Amino acid sequence: SQQGEEDPQALSIQEGENATMNCSYKTSINNLQWYRQNSGRGLVHLILIRSNEREKHSGRLRVTLDTSKKSSSLLITASRAADTASYFCATDAGNTDKLIFGTGTRLQVFP
Amino acid sequence: KAGVTQTPRYLIKTRGQQVTLSCSPISGHRSVSWYQQTPGQGLQFLFEYFSETQRNKGNFPGRFSGRQFSNSRSEMNVSTLELGDSALYLCASSIRQGGETQYFGPGTRLLVL
Repeated sequence: SQQGEEDPQALSIQEGENATMNCSYKTSINNLQWYRQNSGRGLVHLILIRSNEREKHSGRLRVTLDTSKKSSSLLITASRAADTASYFCATDAGNTDKLIFGTGTRLQVFP
Repeated sequence: KAGVTQTPRYLIKTRGQQVTLSCSPISGHRSVSWYQQTPGQGLQFLFEYFSETQRNKGNFPGRFSGRQFSNSRSEMNVSTLELGDSALYLCASSIRQGGETQYFGPGTRLLVL
């Protein structure tokens, strides 16, 4: 079963707009990660946020983590057509040492 | 450094056959994990190897197995293939075992007819 679920499942925006994706998970975690996958290819690591952190930035990416609500959000600012991809959150599901992925959000950015 | 490589990239097999997929991790990475990705089930964790030992296993039948060699290269094997095994198989490597940052290969797309 999936540890995390992303919301929305799909998102379409224009270039220059911001894109926000949400991830909810079920069990306690040590960290939460976000990955990007271009169509049918391998995943690319974007950012890792630890359970004792609330917010993290990397370039145009901003990630927040609310452990009390077991949720995280990924904000991509000033989106570009090249940001078109699927975005997945992944958690280590507590002490299982497994990386469990969410269901993903498909982002389409129109030029 | 070279990235994670997977071979072959594409594979077509028939039901009942077996298949072996290969993964070469980033140099210096000792952990290799395998995932199955399908449209219906999403990304599912198969297993993780660290220092030639299986450290973790997902909920897959015994037909799915793997191993890791002393140079950290890993192989996974699927025996008695079923139509439902058609998927993108992704390999990822990391420096440490467990749920840390993973670096993914391009995947092997397996089609079972």
